[in-house]
Amino acid sequence: DTGVSQDPRHKITKRGQNVTFRCDPISEHNRLYWYRQTLGQGPEFLTYFQNEAQLEKSRLLSDRFSAERPKGSFSTLEIQRTEQGDSAMYLCASSLGADRAYEAFFGQGTRLTVV
Amino acid sequence: AQSVAQPEDQVNVAEGNPLTVKCTYSVSGNPYLFWYVQYPNRGLQFLLKYITGDNLVKGSYGFEAEFNKSQTSFHLKKPSALVSDSALYFCAVRLILTGGGNKLTFGTGTQLKVEL
Repeated sequence: DTGVSQDPRHKITKRGQNVTFRCDPISEHNRLYWYRQTLGQGPEFLTYFQNEAQLEKSRLLSDRFSAERPKGSFSTLEIQRTEQGDSAMYLCASSLGADRAYEAFFGQGTRLTVV
Repeated sequence: AQSVAQPEDQVNVAEGNPLTVKCTYSVSGNPYLFWYVQYPNRGLQFLLKYITGDNLVKGSYGFEAEFNKSQTSFHLKKPSALVSDSALYFCAVRLILTGGGNKLTFGTGTQLKVEL
């Protein structure tokens, strides 16, 4: 499967714990995005990387959230001191650059449950 | 601010009948519009896009969408629905980010249920 891969698929954690998610984009895609989707809502943009540079962050991304893409390939999203409101599906997407930048391919997501 | 609205939480249609899932948009400038589909416990799958050109856009799995500038709408359509089309459908509009990336702003989604 050469699509966007996310790990883990599911994560249950206790409130206050830290969690880290991983995203492996399609190999030739230089742009990578993180979205969060809560029940009954559409995905909401969190952050965007072009290669290893984080170029945009949503105000939804509080200081407890940090994302990295150290070598311009895979990315990690860490949530520190999780809260119950962080329970959501976290989606990663990637795209090519230039005139194909509009077509994003999404992974299957990581479902986080904070208890 | 750019936004899309999906006025129907759920659409029910009988298999073999045509289906329409509605979307209206609010953007400044020329809109780039998208439809995505989400099956249970799956990520979003790209269906089709409108950038410019013909108002009728054809996409995956027999879906098409009609761009209507005067009504600011981008409704998703299929001439003959299948039970396997049952899923959650999202309309989205893009905003260009620094470096040329794309931020997608999604609607709240419409659950399509196709029954035998």
